[in-house]
Amino acid sequence: QKEVEQNSGPLSVPEGAIASLNCTYSDRVSQSFFWYRQYSGKSPELIMSIYSNGDKEDGRFTAQLNKASQYVSLLIRDSQPSDSATYLCAVGDSNYQLIWGAGTKLIIKP
Amino acid sequence: KAGVTQTPRYLIKTRGQQVTLSCSPISGHRSVSWYQQTPGQGLQFLFEYFSETQRNKGNFPGRFSGRQFSNSRSEMNVSTLELGDSALYLCASSSISSTEAFFGQGTRLTVV
Repeated sequence: QKEVEQNSGPLSVPEGAIASLNCTYSDRVSQSFFWYRQYSGKSPELIMSIYSNGDKEDGRFTAQLNKASQYVSLLIRDSQPSDSATYLCAVGDSNYQLIWGAGTKLIIKP
Repeated sequence: KAGVTQTPRYLIKTRGQQVTLSCSPISGHRSVSWYQQTPGQGLQFLFEYFSETQRNKGNFPGRFSGRQFSNSRSEMNVSTLELGDSALYLCASSSISSTEAFFGQGTRLTVV
């Protein structure tokens, strides 16, 4: 059974601080990794994709991948109240299927 | 480039009825996946279609079915609706070369 694990939270972070979201996965042959943001009542929105070990930065967002540890993380710098949402981690398997974590609820406190 | 379009956006049905939801993927995308999401729950995978063939399937009863047309548009059907089928149904499309999924706005189904 392929699994993606996330801490459900809520994770509370002060405005302006760094929010760190984590995700582990079970399938060692996974090759693609994604972070989605979902506001309450809305559909998920892709914010980061990462395919190789290391860091990938896009604006205030940094995705980090460590395939040896089967671990992927998302850092949000200078957190804003508008970053308050549920963050979903998704991992692509060899059958072109995305395996989803249950999501981490992030709350940015002004 | 137009995004993923789902219709209708909202639907109210009575127990026992059936419902059909529609999804038009991003132009050029040939993979369409369907998900169910209930309040406070993660995404539950229903099925995925690629080039008119069901390529992956989740653990849902046979009341949930789908199909994909030659233009990559997809429909999802739920027969004999139950109260527990009330949920946000999401469709996502992907290109042939990537598992990146782009979601439509969803159809909110309420069964009364």
